[in-house]
Amino acid sequence: AQSVTQLDSQVPVFEEAPVELRCNYSSSVSVYLFWYVQYPNQGLQLLLKYLSGSTLVESINGFEAEFNKSQTSFHLRKPSVHISDTAEYFCAVSAGNQFYFGTGTSLTVIP
Amino acid sequence: NAGVTQTPKFQVLKTGQSMTLQCAQDMNHNSMYWYRQDPGMGLRLIYYSASEGTTDKGEVPNGYNVSRLNKREFSLRLESAAPSQTSVYFCASSENQAARFKKLFFGSGTQLSVL
Repeated sequence: AQSVTQLDSQVPVFEEAPVELRCNYSSSVSVYLFWYVQYPNQGLQLLLKYLSGSTLVESINGFEAEFNKSQTSFHLRKPSVHISDTAEYFCAVSAGNQFYFGTGTSLTVIP
Repeated sequence: NAGVTQTPKFQVLKTGQSMTLQCAQDMNHNSMYWYRQDPGMGLRLIYYSASEGTTDKGEVPNGYNVSRLNKREFSLRLESAAPSQTSVYFCASSENQAARFKKLFFGSGTQLSVL
């Protein structure tokens, strides 16, 4: 069985400060890891994904995530956040025909 | 390019009423999904359809039925709405690829309140 745990439900951070959103997963099979972002009143959008190869993956807007197999983690980081990064962030795993989502982390960037 | 379109955006029902949430995608995707989003619970899969003519239960199927009308459309029906079904419902679609290549495309959601 697959499961995803996001350890922080809410993360407030000041503008231009760094942030880390934590994600741990458990799975009995090979999985592929994703981060999705949901801006207010919108559906989810893919932010980045890990398939194989380099354990560090990056998105076009400055976020990065590192796959750590030994710790079964896929934490999301950004060195300097902007107001526009305020959103809900979901970690997800893909196995077979289904996606399994974490409970989400609400990132609030404070001016 | 519209992507995934859901209707309606908002709906209020009384307990026991029925309704159908509509979803259509114009990306020629094979797979379609219905999720519900609740505070503190994240997204939970209700039903999915890997291809036209097939549907499968997800994590929380009780109280719902689905119809894959054609490749474009995947509807979700509540036969007798209950307050526990108050939620935000998202439709999504993806290519029918190996798991590692899949990317979900989401609609903008339907906010449903059952009184």
